[in-house]
Amino acid sequence: EVQLVESGGGLIQPGGSLRLSCAASGFTVSSNYMSWVRQAPGKGLEWVSIIYSAGTTYYADSVKGRFTISRDNSKDTLYLQMNSLRAEDTAVYYCARVVTYYYDSSGFYRESYYFDYWGQGTLVTVSS
Amino acid sequence: QSALTQPASVSGSPGQSITISCTGTTSDVDICDYVSWYQHLPGKAPKLMIYDVTKRPSGVSNRFSGSKSANTASLTISGLQPEDEADYYCTSYTSSSTYWVFGGGTKLTVL
Repeated sequence: EVQLVESGGGLIQPGGSLRLSCAASGFTVSSNYMSWVRQAPGKGLEWVSIIYSAGTTYYADSVKGRFTISRDNSKDTLYLQMNSLRAEDTAVYYCARVVTYYYDSSGFYRESYYFDYWGQGTLVTVSS
Repeated sequence: QSALTQPASVSGSPGQSITISCTGTTSDVDICDYVSWYQHLPGKAPKLMIYDVTKRPSGVSNRFSGSKSANTASLTISGLQPEDEADYYCTSYTSSSTYWVFGGGTKLTVL
């Protein structure tokens, strides 16, 4: 069974740093694309970052230069290092597995982009 | 403000059908068939309900269906059941550096 469990959230002062973890089970993190998505209080979801199976990383403009996504293949764990935190980073942070292709019922390769499994999230509150 | 526009709330009685719209732009929904929908209950992990506009993952009830016309995608739930009460989010993959854009979410109330 695929499971994703986030941890590491908490209350942090503006300008501070925090590292979130996402422990995966039921699949191999390094063989998949993985993402972080966040939801600010009362707001919709916002994509934050992605790491490809090859290790390439990309970020939303709102966090570029401050957040770093990484993984520990030996632990099947995804991380999000968050530096220079701002009040607007306050949100529940979810990790999610990304599907980029599949084989349909006829056996044909299909490109796609969606999140098939999510964790329950961890709350980050940036406040003095 | 979310990139995709969804109604804040919809409601229906058990057994009825409802449709949630998701309006994007020519940069996402209109040109992209990578629209997906997620069901989210507070404190729980979001659950994939529809991907690639119309496809249902294994285990998702066939009461859930997706469609798209131009820049508006839709999620239809037929035969509403009390357990369908949740928040629903649409998302579209984009060709820009944003990667994915999300809707603001729709709260479904089963009366």
